[in-house]
Amino acid sequence: KAGVTQTPRYLIKTRGQQVTLSCSPISGHRSVSWYQQTPGQGLQFLFEYFSETQRNKGNFPGRFSGRQFSNSRSEMNVSTLELGDSALYLCASTPAAATNYGYTFGSGTRLTVV
Amino acid sequence: QKEVEQNSGPLSVPEGAIASLNCTYSDRGSQSFFWYRQYSGKSPELIMSIYSNGDKEDGRFTAQLNKASQYVSLLIRDSQPSDSATYLCAARGGTGNQFYFGTGTSLTVIP
Repeated sequence: KAGVTQTPRYLIKTRGQQVTLSCSPISGHRSVSWYQQTPGQGLQFLFEYFSETQRNKGNFPGRFSGRQFSNSRSEMNVSTLELGDSALYLCASTPAAATNYGYTFGSGTRLTVV
Repeated sequence: QKEVEQNSGPLSVPEGAIASLNCTYSDRGSQSFFWYRQYSGKSPELIMSIYSNGDKEDGRFTAQLNKASQYVSLLIRDSQPSDSATYLCAARGGTGNQFYFGTGTSLTVIP
């Protein structure tokens, strides 16, 4: 069974540009969540999608957005990149939005903003 | 106050010893609790989940949950150098059924 697939693995962008990251969950998983991880802040929750609907949103500016498609694949977009957006972006999936499922994480996309 | 708190460490134990990692959570509505291991440069990997008060054992790992004290712990017996990683505690349920992660405890097992 394939795991959670994130593309690209590495990305270098310039301040002011925008970026789109992609996540394909485990087959059959309908819930996808996104996290930003930095050494100083740990895992910061961005958003959670289930059946194409955003269920929860973290405390990030509106430059961060996401969506989920009917096949459960998800994308997140960051516009007007800032140096502080440099981080590891992790996607995680679960079968459903119920409480007893743990996340399975993808390998992440490491974004560097220069 | 953070929803999930862990001692950041670093925690160092000699090879073969028991490593004890602790975590507290603030939302009494939390129903599910998880431990993740994250090696440097890698993504978190789920190693234990626990939902009921008491102990849950899986190989060298034992998770302990005390909902009255809002406390979760992970014991690693016979620690190996390959256990050296950051361990993340997470709680789910409660308000918004959201996952809350601690900032992680760095563990080093010294050969």
